[in-house]
Amino acid sequence: QKEVEQNSGPLSVPEGAIASLNCTYSDRVSQSFFWYRQYSGKSPELIMSIYSNGDKEDGRFTAQLNKASQYVSLLIRDSQPSDSATYLCAVNSNSGYALNFGKGTSLLVTP
Amino acid sequence: DTEVTQTPKHLVMGMTNKKSLKCEQHMGHRAMYWYKQKAKKPPELMFVYSYEKLSINESVPSRFSPECPNSSLLNLHLHALQPEDSALYLCASSAQAEETQYFGPGTRLLVL
Repeated sequence: QKEVEQNSGPLSVPEGAIASLNCTYSDRVSQSFFWYRQYSGKSPELIMSIYSNGDKEDGRFTAQLNKASQYVSLLIRDSQPSDSATYLCAVNSNSGYALNFGKGTSLLVTP
Repeated sequence: DTEVTQTPKHLVMGMTNKKSLKCEQHMGHRAMYWYKQKAKKPPELMFVYSYEKLSINESVPSRFSPECPNSSLLNLHLHALQPEDSALYLCASSAQAEETQYFGPGTRLLVL
């Protein structure tokens, strides 16, 4: 069973702080990693994709990948109340077709 | 433009009804997906089409029948559903099967 694990939270951070979201995966051959944001009742929205070890930055978001340790993380700088959502970590399966999702981490940014 | 559209947004149907969900993308993507998502759960893959051919069927009951009439369009035909099939049905597409998936807004289905 190929698993993607996330802390379900809720993770509560004050406005302006850094939110750190973590994800571990079990399939060592995974090559593609994604973070999606999902507001309640809405569909998942792509935040970041990352394929290589190291950091990838896009605005206030930084994704970090460590294949040796099999974890991927998402940092959100200067967190805003509008960032309050569930963040889904997704990993491509070996077949390439399916995304294996974690259960999601609920983030609450308090004013 | 990374837009995937889905219709209808909401659907209520009885257990004896037949209905269809529609998904459309005009990004030239060659892979399209159906997911089912229950409340407070992650999306669960149902079907994958690659180059208009069914590539994956994740042991979905036959009351769900996918169809890919062309490279831009994906349908999900529903028949004799059960109340436990009530969920958010998400369509996604990607340029190729292993690439980034973009989700549509979903169809909220209620089976009475």
